[in-house]
Amino acid sequence: SAVISQKPSRDICQRGTSLTIQCQVDSQVTMMFWYRQQPGQSLTLIATANQGSEATYESGFVIDKFPISRPNLTFSTLTVSNMSPEDSSIYLCSVEDPTDNEKLFFGSGTQLSVL
Amino acid sequence: AQTVTQSQPEMSVQEAETVTLSCTYDTSESNYYLFWYKQPPSRQMILVIRQEAYKQQNATENRFSVNFQKAAKSFSLKISDSQLGDTAMYFCAFWKTSGSRLTFGEGTQLTVNP
Repeated sequence: SAVISQKPSRDICQRGTSLTIQCQVDSQVTMMFWYRQQPGQSLTLIATANQGSEATYESGFVIDKFPISRPNLTFSTLTVSNMSPEDSSIYLCSVEDPTDNEKLFFGSGTQLSVL
Repeated sequence: AQTVTQSQPEMSVQEAETVTLSCTYDTSESNYYLFWYKQPPSRQMILVIRQEAYKQQNATENRFSVNFQKAAKSFSLKISDSQLGDTAMYFCAFWKTSGSRLTFGEGTQLTVNP
């Protein structure tokens, strides 16, 4: 399995500001995924991040709002830009098990509240 | 596109008893994976069990087992000897292959009562 550290665990932010969420994995992984979970909802994929290439965004998500970095095979960041209260959600990163890429593991999530 | 449906928004069970959570899905794929994840109040998404569609045998992990009916596109989770720590939101998820997105159901909130 993979151990995934996600920071911060929670934050309260002001409207119009930006927050960067970090995801660190204890082993090298090819792909990292960022999901959003709105209050009382299920999870929705924001984007897939491969090392060395631009992230691939799902319909309804754009790079200007959710820029992603993937500088190496163990680390990624997701920035939530120009935040509004509608961005209040849990954000989770996910990776495929490096020893069994048919399993996906999740970080502990970032609870974001925008005032 | 795949869809996953969990028709039970909430369920409750007495400690030590057995409970079954339902999940149905729709896909035109023949090879895929199905998962159950557990999300306690800590927000952590914890992998409970995985089923490969090409395997006829139902997956089992300790107190957790599935009933996978491929033709009916049904994938239920049975929790035996329920424990208070099993209280959580449970999500059923479909995954086509490596690199693709997980498609989640709406979730079932399970409460285990003492």
